[in-house]
Amino acid sequence: DQQVKQNSPSLSVQEGRISILNCDYTNSMFDYFLWYKKYPAEGPTFLISISSIKDKNEDGRFTVFLNKSAKHLSLHIVPSQPGDSAVYFCAASAEEGKIIFGKGTRLHILP
Amino acid sequence: KAGVTQTPRYLIKTRGQQVTLSCSPISGHRSVSWYQQTPGQGLQFLFEYFSETQRNKGNFPGRFSGRQFSNSRSEMNVSTLELGDSALYLCASSLVSGLGELFFGEGSRLTVL
Repeated sequence: DQQVKQNSPSLSVQEGRISILNCDYTNSMFDYFLWYKKYPAEGPTFLISISSIKDKNEDGRFTVFLNKSAKHLSLHIVPSQPGDSAVYFCAASAEEGKIIFGKGTRLHILP
Repeated sequence: KAGVTQTPRYLIKTRGQQVTLSCSPISGHRSVSWYQQTPGQGLQFLFEYFSETQRNKGNFPGRFSGRQFSNSRSEMNVSTLELGDSALYLCASSLVSGLGELFFGEGSRLTVL
């Protein structure tokens, strides 16, 4: 059973425009959410996180929005840059030591 | 400071064999988590160790096991390898267990023939 779902396997966005990556979750006990970015042949790297007590967290070009009632979060990247082309993983945690990841969304930034 | 180091980076085994993968966390990090990445399934949680104790385990068969040493280094072992075990195995460390940023290594790519 997939508790963290990223329903779009891939997304293409023009350079300079906004990229919006979506994530849904089923476990209402999740209280901490993270986004990771992965380039080929590298391990995932942490991007941004949000606690369930907040609905928005911003870090430079990256903003994560959390809608607890809809069990939905999204990552906004503005403006999108060529180096943002990567696989993005949504992740969530409900208990210490266990972070559950989605299957990832491959983002292509078009020139 | 040095990142998470995983060895070996690549290995090829045959069905029925066993394999041991090693992970050295960032200095000072006491939590080590292991994940399996396959093309169709994304990152799947295997287990997490903190101060030599397994604190959480994912839904993998008992063929998958791990341990953590007093210096926080961790190993995972897969016995009686199956073709479906071919994957990228990622290790991640963090300062504390659970909440917070995970720092990933580059992974060990296992191919089972």
